[in-house]
Amino acid sequence: QQQVKQSPQSLIVQKGGISIINCAYENTAFDYFPWYQQFPGKGPALLIAIRPDVSEKKEGRFTISFNKSAKQFSLHIMDSQPGDSATYFCAASFSRDDKIIFGKGTRLHILP
Amino acid sequence: EAGVTQSPTHLIKTRGQQATLRCSPISGHTSVYWYQQALGLGLQFLLWYDEGEERNRGNFPPRFSGRQFPNYSSELNVNALELEDSALYLCASTTSNQPQHFGDGTRLSIL
Repeated sequence: QQQVKQSPQSLIVQKGGISIINCAYENTAFDYFPWYQQFPGKGPALLIAIRPDVSEKKEGRFTISFNKSAKQFSLHIMDSQPGDSATYFCAASFSRDDKIIFGKGTRLHILP
Repeated sequence: EAGVTQSPTHLIKTRGQQATLRCSPISGHTSVYWYQQALGLGLQFLLWYDEGEERNRGNFPPRFSGRQFPNYSSELNVNALELEDSALYLCASTTSNQPQHFGDGTRLSIL
């Protein structure tokens, strides 16, 4: 009930392409859905986040799409760049300052 | 503004020993979270401290414990170390209704 399922495990995209990572959750009490980006040797860094009352949020090249009825959300990275190569985690929590339940992560590699 | 700092960066122990990991939150943050990032298991919530009190703990045995000091820094203690405890331990800090900010972690290796 508290799981967040993430796919794919790994993703290779050409430079300039669109990277898409999908996540699903079960617990409808989740109220905050952040995405984190992690580079090797570093801790996760908050990329973008959304609340379930919003269907889409865009920040620069990064967009979250949220489907509350399907209990699914996704991250789209437009015009993907080699510098975007990292591991991405979707996550959920009951509030912005509550414990975070993470997906298993997606290793994204952007080909130059 | 200084971020979340963790020490040591790396820690090597043998089975049965005890490990102590430290975390200094961002100035003004009163809550500290600990997460374990083990290979193949992803990021798992370990412990949550707020205003010096343990507020919640994840599905980990009691040999994982910690505390939060009056200056809001925190310590994670792992007793009777097992090989499976090898992981990156991440600390995050936050304050009321703000997102969590993570440190770069302590890599704990058990030989």
